[in-house]
Amino acid sequence: GAVVSQHPSRVICKSGTSVKIECRSLDFQATTMFWYRQFPKQSLMLMATSNEGSKATYEQGVEKDKFLINHASLTLSTLTVTSAHPEDSSFYICSARASSGGTDTQYFGPGTRLTVL
Amino acid sequence: SQELEQSPQSLIVQEGKNLTINCTSSKTLYGLYWYKQKYGEGLIFLMMLQKGGEEKSHEKITAKLDEKKQQSSLHITASQPSHAGIYLCGADVHRDDKIIFGKGTRLHILP
Repeated sequence: GAVVSQHPSRVICKSGTSVKIECRSLDFQATTMFWYRQFPKQSLMLMATSNEGSKATYEQGVEKDKFLINHASLTLSTLTVTSAHPEDSSFYICSARASSGGTDTQYFGPGTRLTVL
Repeated sequence: SQELEQSPQSLIVQEGKNLTINCTSSKTLYGLYWYKQKYGEGLIFLMMLQKGGEEKSHEKITAKLDEKKQQSSLHITASQPSHAGIYLCGADVHRDDKIIFGKGTRLHILP
């Protein structure tokens, strides 16, 4: 099946610094990628929709200036957490939509665990 | 309110037994996904259902979407320790390609 990778898998940073997370579709092109956040023992919450070549669409309550999304190519979307604080510590997962035979399926990356000290 | 309700929240099953997890919505589900997640890890895609009445199977796991496309069930036959994990249902509820997830079902398999 389709493969989506994320880098890094884990990152620890100091409060106030910025962290960039990459999401790549390895064997297919994805015009749309999605970014999710998951707090411990909670469900995934959609943060934003990343569209190649255009601005991301953010869900209500997600600060677009804090969570910068860039979808520079059909295989790469990046999420930058700016001025990270401990409350931003979470598990961030991206997904990429693949189209095949008229059916769209979303494939998820392995996730990135962010810890802000 | 939660747009996708999963039940049960937690399930403990003896190895070899069958089990069913349900995912229910008050709205039409335009694409219903089942994923498995080991805690703190990424999601493993299991199946996607789109048509009312659709049923798909993969190894010992069967998923169904009801005719009204408001409820899906995931059935595991002869459960094994490898089936343990968190099962999440996700669906496109607003027909905008955004998947909304249920809270998940934690499955434990007793040897």
